[in-house]
Amino acid sequence: AQTVTQSQPEMSVQEAETVTLSCTYDTSESDYYLFWYKQPPSRQMILVIRQEAYKQQNATENRFSVNFQKAAKSFSLKISDSQLGDAAMYFCAYRRGGYQKVTFGTGTKLQVIP
Amino acid sequence: DAGVIQSPRHEVTEMGQEVTLRCKPISGHNSLFWYRQTMMRGLELLIYFNNNVPIDDSGMPEDRFSAKMPNASFSTLKIQPSEPRDSAVYFCASSQGTSGRTDTQYFGPGTRLTVL
Repeated sequence: AQTVTQSQPEMSVQEAETVTLSCTYDTSESDYYLFWYKQPPSRQMILVIRQEAYKQQNATENRFSVNFQKAAKSFSLKISDSQLGDAAMYFCAYRRGGYQKVTFGTGTKLQVIP
Repeated sequence: DAGVIQSPRHEVTEMGQEVTLRCKPISGHNSLFWYRQTMMRGLELLIYFNNNVPIDDSGMPEDRFSAKMPNASFSTLKIQPSEPRDSAVYFCASSQGTSGRTDTQYFGPGTRLTVL
């Protein structure tokens, strides 16, 4: 079974600084997708970024980028120029290609310090 | 386009009462997912539908839980009878259902259920 591990329950970052959230996953599949979701205090789950396993190029969305290391099964999220609005729970997620079920990690709570 | 719509946003009920949560997926999405989120267990998939048909309900905790999707634009999750341990945030999500590259789940705002 696929598992997603987020080993950092909580992290903090100074406003305008850069922070990296870690995620590792376990799979024997070659075709899969990885996601980062953000859950602010409003509880809404918001898709931040998506990475296809077959793509070597790391995905980027504005201030958010990933470091996808397929051999190491690592998928970290880098947030640059952190803003107060980035404070939230961040969930890493995995979906096997051809399937619809998504496996979520336990989340990392990010605090942004003014 | 409107996102996934859930109602109610908050529900407080007493133990033993029936609770019905509602979800309207994004128009054109063929797959719908019900999740439960608690501090203890994190985000759990309860059931998901593809083209209105339940595909996997292995996450439904027990017979007190039931879900229906009578048409492509509406789904319900019912708990009868409710118990205090059912208190959680329940999310509905939808996706295109292609399982392909662009198939991403989009979540509703959630329903916070409190069973007294």
